[in-house]
Amino acid sequence: QSALTQPASVSGSPGQSITISCTGTSSDVGSYNLVSWYQQHPGKAPKLIIYEVSKRPSGVSNRFSGSKSGNTASLTISGLQADDETDYYCCSYAGSTNMIFGGGTKLTVL
Amino acid sequence: QVQLQESGPGLVKPSQTLSLTCTVSGGSISSGNYYWSWIRQPAGKGLEWIGHIYTSGSTNYNPSLKSRVTISVDTSKNQFSLKLSSVTAADTAVYYCARLRVYSDSSGYQDWYFDLWGRGTLVTVSS
Repeated sequence: QSALTQPASVSGSPGQSITISCTGTSSDVGSYNLVSWYQQHPGKAPKLIIYEVSKRPSGVSNRFSGSKSGNTASLTISGLQADDETDYYCCSYAGSTNMIFGGGTKLTVL
Repeated sequence: QVQLQESGPGLVKPSQTLSLTCTVSGGSISSGNYYWSWIRQPAGKGLEWIGHIYTSGSTNYNPSLKSRVTISVDTSKNQFSLKLSSVTAADTAVYYCARLRVYSDSSGYQDWYFDLWGRGTLVTVSS
């Protein structure tokens, strides 16, 4: 069970949009629409921002959106803000009640 | 609202067993469609799912840790616990307890996501 693959870092300017990819296999991301995304500020617990590929929990900004194609899921953040600068993790159901995380992506707002 | 709080020793000696407890407050651990989970994060690294338990006692563990992990639940205390045996420095990490929302119905609709997290507790393995 290898971690899902995310880019180590992405960057964008305020107001722009960025996309973070999350690549798995046909046994996890490709088989289930059960990808979730978490935002983690330094020293804090992760916070759910997307579940079931593209759904947003109550209270999460609509600047965050998710999608999936094949074995790759994506998180898009539009209208980048300074507070978006932090770490993001994807997670997928992997069958047989297993869960698997991505390695994480550090977003820098230039 | 429901909150999770990890507790346990912050320092464990190599080869010994790491033991942590997660206390659920503001709601019953037996209510709803949830698996109660442990996740860890070494300093500067990513998240790793360790395993989870349902209140029935049914468990599932990360295959890479399965031989060393035991997760148990005490519904009378509204707590669940983690034991990780034969620890090494590689087990040094912040350990989080989390609630995994699980649901499925006959239409094929499913939920599988971590909707609530504890603040985390740092466990250092060192002599």
